[in-house]
Amino acid sequence: EPEVTQTPSHQVTQMGQEVILRCVPISNHLYFYWYRQILGQKVEFLVSFYNNEISEKSEIFDDQFSVERPDGSNFTLKIRSTKLEDSAMYFCASSAGSQQETQYFGPGTRLLVL
Amino acid sequence: QKEVEQNSGPLSVPEGAIASLNCTYSDRGSQSFFWYRQYSGKSPELIMFIYSNGDKEDGRFTAQLNKASQYVSLLIRDSQPSDSATYLCAVLYNFNKFYFGSGTKLNVKP
Repeated sequence: EPEVTQTPSHQVTQMGQEVILRCVPISNHLYFYWYRQILGQKVEFLVSFYNNEISEKSEIFDDQFSVERPDGSNFTLKIRSTKLEDSAMYFCASSAGSQQETQYFGPGTRLLVL
Repeated sequence: QKEVEQNSGPLSVPEGAIASLNCTYSDRGSQSFFWYRQYSGKSPELIMFIYSNGDKEDGRFTAQLNKASQYVSLLIRDSQPSDSATYLCAVLYNFNKFYFGSGTKLNVKP
């Protein structure tokens, strides 16, 4: 069964450093998403991406964040200058369509900012 | 800010019983409603979605939506210990923006 993959599974970085989280969505999917989940808290929507552009973003997704689909398979989330409060699990998800289409989540990248 | 509220639990039910999970949402413009299951340390897994008022059944799971009351629920029949997890309610707004509740932790006791 096709699945969303994410790398790395864990990332430790120093405050102020840039990190890039990588995702490979399911191959025929058109909509891509990033979420984060701070330990013990709710899953928070960051951004949705369709047709090579951002379609929606949340208040969390400020200028420190960017997304890119550099080729036909990868979907990346970049955090330019990490803060302690960026420590969280970051999930990528993809779906074939919007609305009622099932979103498939990747296993997540656990980011720890020291 | 769009609010999605869930009782954090834990909700404890005996094996074989019906578990009832509830969710309310603040925005009447919300379009579709999703229930996810999340095991500790894992990613959310979609159980089912609903977008029309009424009930929708899928195996042991029934989702119920009441848009007038801004209320969505999930019933799990014949609960099994393997159903023990945190259940997340998610609401789709503006076609491409999702809001999650904090989740209800369910414990199914053998």
